[in-house]
Amino acid sequence: DAGVIQSPRHEVTEMGQEVTLRCKPISGHDYLFWYRQTMMRGLELLIYFNNNVPIDDSGMPEDRFSAKMPNASFSTLKIQPSEPRDSAVYFCASSFTGTGVRDTQYFGPGTRLTVL
Amino acid sequence: GDSVTQMEGPVTLSEEAFLTINCTYTATGYPSLFWYVQYPGEGLQLLLKATKADDKGSNKGFEATYRKETTSFHLEKGSVQVSDSAVYFCALYNQGGKLIFGQGTELSVKP
Repeated sequence: DAGVIQSPRHEVTEMGQEVTLRCKPISGHDYLFWYRQTMMRGLELLIYFNNNVPIDDSGMPEDRFSAKMPNASFSTLKIQPSEPRDSAVYFCASSFTGTGVRDTQYFGPGTRLTVL
Repeated sequence: GDSVTQMEGPVTLSEEAFLTINCTYTATGYPSLFWYVQYPGEGLQLLLKATKADDKGSNKGFEATYRKETTSFHLEKGSVQVSDSAVYFCALYNQGGKLIFGQGTELSVKP
């Protein structure tokens, strides 16, 4: 099992640039989550999808952030334009309802974003 | 709203010492409870879980018991190793289908 795959692992960009983070969930998982981790705010849920449909995006900080899931094996989180305060580690996680239990989430290694 | 509170870190222990990391929660109903571990530079990994009152989750020598009466889920290990150095997160799965995390507790084990 390859686990949740995220790319890139590290991203350094300049303020105002567009940033796209990518995630491949575990095959067969029907839920996908995007989190942001910072020292100040800890782990924050940004958005999650069920069967490729966004269910709750109340954690998305502002309109500069958008997320898509065009198919069951791929999701993107885009920031446009990026700002220094967006610097954080972004995690993708997935889970499944196959056994009636969807509370266990499996996390990717994260993307460390630095906006200069 | 639902929330999780963990003891503040960092916690520094000598190898083979006993570990306790306190975790209490506030939630509607009886949520599933989790401990996740994050090693340096890595994502979170599920360490153990408990789904109902009095359940004990265990893995890799770590244990935690779901205490409904005290709304707690304290993490314990009888003898820590240097390799246990990491950040530990307590979390609950709420009725809205979200994982709510505590702020994390950093553990440093010295040889």
